[in-house]
Amino acid sequence: EPEVTQTPSHQVTQMGQEVILRCVPISNHLYFYWYRQILGQKVEFLVSFYNNEISEKSEIFDDQFSVERPDGSNFTLKIRSTKLEDSAMYFCASSAGQTINKNIQYFGAGTRLSVL
Amino acid sequence: AQTVTQSQPEMSVQEAETVTLSCTYDTSESDYYLFWYKQPPSRQMILVIRQEAYKQQNATENRFSVNFQKAAKSFSLKISDSQLGDAAMYFCAYRSYEKSSGDKLTFGTGTRLAVRP
Repeated sequence: EPEVTQTPSHQVTQMGQEVILRCVPISNHLYFYWYRQILGQKVEFLVSFYNNEISEKSEIFDDQFSVERPDGSNFTLKIRSTKLEDSAMYFCASSAGQTINKNIQYFGAGTRLSVL
Repeated sequence: AQTVTQSQPEMSVQEAETVTLSCTYDTSESDYYLFWYKQPPSRQMILVIRQEAYKQQNATENRFSVNFQKAAKSFSLKISDSQLGDAAMYFCAYRSYEKSSGDKLTFGTGTRLAVRP
């Protein structure tokens, strides 16, 4: 069964450094998402992406964050200058469409980001 | 804004028994979707079951069924004949039906289910 793949599974970085989290969505999917979960808290929506542009973003998704689909298969989340509070599990998801039968979001296993 | 509440941080069930996980939500919308996702340790979240709010009939998927009470804004998950492989974190999630509200999922905090052999 097709899966959403995320790499790396764990990323350790120093505060102030840039990180790029990578995701390979399911191949025929058109809608892409990033969520994050700070330890002990809810899974929170960050951003959705469709047709090569951001369709929605949350308050969390400030100027330090950006997303890109550089080559038609990868979907990346960049954090420009990491802060301690960016430490979280980041989940990528994709869906095939918006209709009832296609709007299921499929998730990757996540990347645990640790900012030291 | 919509909120989703899962009041049971942890639950435990004996193998082969039945367990019910609770979820309540708050919304002013009349049409929406509700989901239960399962996340085994170190694995991705997978969809367990989905309910469209305009459907009165409760969704079922094999051993998994929901009790959807729209007026009470309650969406509980029942797992029958529990198996060891059901041990996981279970998340309840809400999604608006309206395009103008976007298609993001709003999650609860999760319930960790342990299955005792």
